[in-house]
Amino acid sequence: GAGVSQSPSNKVTEKGKDVELRCDPISGHTALYWYRQSLGQGLEFLIYFQGNSAPDKSGLPSDRFSAERTGGSVSTLTIQRTQQEDSAVYLCASSLTRGESGELFFGEGSRLTVL
Amino acid sequence: EDKVVQSPLSLVVHEGDTVTLNCSYEVTNFRSLLWYKQEKKAPTFLFMLTSSGIEKKSGRLSSILDKKELFSILNITATQTGDSAVYLCAVLGTYKYIFGTGTRLKVLA
Repeated sequence: GAGVSQSPSNKVTEKGKDVELRCDPISGHTALYWYRQSLGQGLEFLIYFQGNSAPDKSGLPSDRFSAERTGGSVSTLTIQRTQQEDSAVYLCASSLTRGESGELFFGEGSRLTVL
Repeated sequence: EDKVVQSPLSLVVHEGDTVTLNCSYEVTNFRSLLWYKQEKKAPTFLFMLTSSGIEKKSGRLSSILDKKELFSILNITATQTGDSAVYLCAVLGTYKYIFGTGTRLKVLA
């Protein structure tokens, strides 16, 4: 695609429900990143994919968070049993090369609100 | 632990002023430093710096990296209200981009 696409753009859910956030990176980009941005805060690293594997998932806050990537393309971030502190904007980004210096291209983000 | 620190946290200036934003870092296996502008949601790319002392310039914006002292600055001259945004600094380590908390710039007309 022309850019990184994320869906849904907004999600409101009740505490305890599961949510899935989707990221469709730029075609051909092998590296994919998930970040979380809480109100007024910087970007918090969650997980990095190179192809379909995740060499670094150290940023996932708890075992309620998981992510996968299939076909070296689309990625899904799943949050189980959501809590109010999970409310944030979840940003996905992709880059062309394998961990080499390169521009990160961001999607518009998925704003998650947990009531 | 790897970290990226930006200063100031926020800044209010008047149109026409010049601003300097700072980014210092301690990151294992430094590969590059990137600057982004974030107005609404998606950060937009400004510069990528990999070598010390070489200034990158785009219009009224410029940036330089000092790999010895582990910092970078982003300069904006003749600021305009459209420059109001959060400016993010990110450093690429082994394969992970680590972001600072950003500098919130507000330019008053």
